[in-house]
Amino acid sequence: EAQVTQNPRYLITVTGKKLTVTCSQNMNHEYMSWYRQDPGLGLRQIYYSMNVEVTDKGDVPEGYKVSRKEKRNFPLILESPSPNQTSLYFCASSLPGNTIYFGEGSWLTVV
Amino acid sequence: GENVEQHPSTLSVQEGDSAVIKCTYSDSASNYFPWYKQELGKRPQLIIDIRSNVGEKKDQRIAVTLNKTAKHFSLHITETQPEDSAVYFCAASMVLTYSSASKIIFGSGTRLSIRP
Repeated sequence: EAQVTQNPRYLITVTGKKLTVTCSQNMNHEYMSWYRQDPGLGLRQIYYSMNVEVTDKGDVPEGYKVSRKEKRNFPLILESPSPNQTSLYFCASSLPGNTIYFGEGSWLTVV
Repeated sequence: GENVEQHPSTLSVQEGDSAVIKCTYSDSASNYFPWYKQELGKRPQLIIDIRSNVGEKKDQRIAVTLNKTAKHFSLHITETQPEDSAVYFCAASMVLTYSSASKIIFGSGTRLSIRP
């Protein structure tokens, strides 16, 4: 089954404690990206990757890092989380110019 | 870069009536335009898409139209039902020439409510 899997789905953490949200897709997609969704603000892109070892900033990259060492994985790293990073995060993947598949989302709360 | 504007931000229609959501895009190189539906607490899911070589596409009660000259596209939902209540996102995608990959830009979303 084609899917995008992200973990954890729910996390409450404290300010400053590094965390990683993993994302994996089994469709051999080149393009992967991370979005955050806050009430009334829609989907805002954090980072995207066009292929292995190729990443670029989206609209709201501050406070986040990513890596793309393998085609299937695209982890999102919060080196020092702050409360303003409390949000719903979606990982997504697609073939060029084609349907985007979203993960189920990760609810992150930073206290 | 590409910019996608979506209107309205909220829309309330009587059950059985039609709903129309409109989007405009800025980059004429965009060639793929999907629409996503997001129910509360769930992931966005594709409901219909259209490519730039087509002017209209229908799937049962849902249709999308594209005007390349004016750079706008619209989602039409007919005979609306309570289960159509959700947030809808439009998006525009282009294939980037230097990499063959693509970048997709989303509109800000429309919260559609169906009144019984």
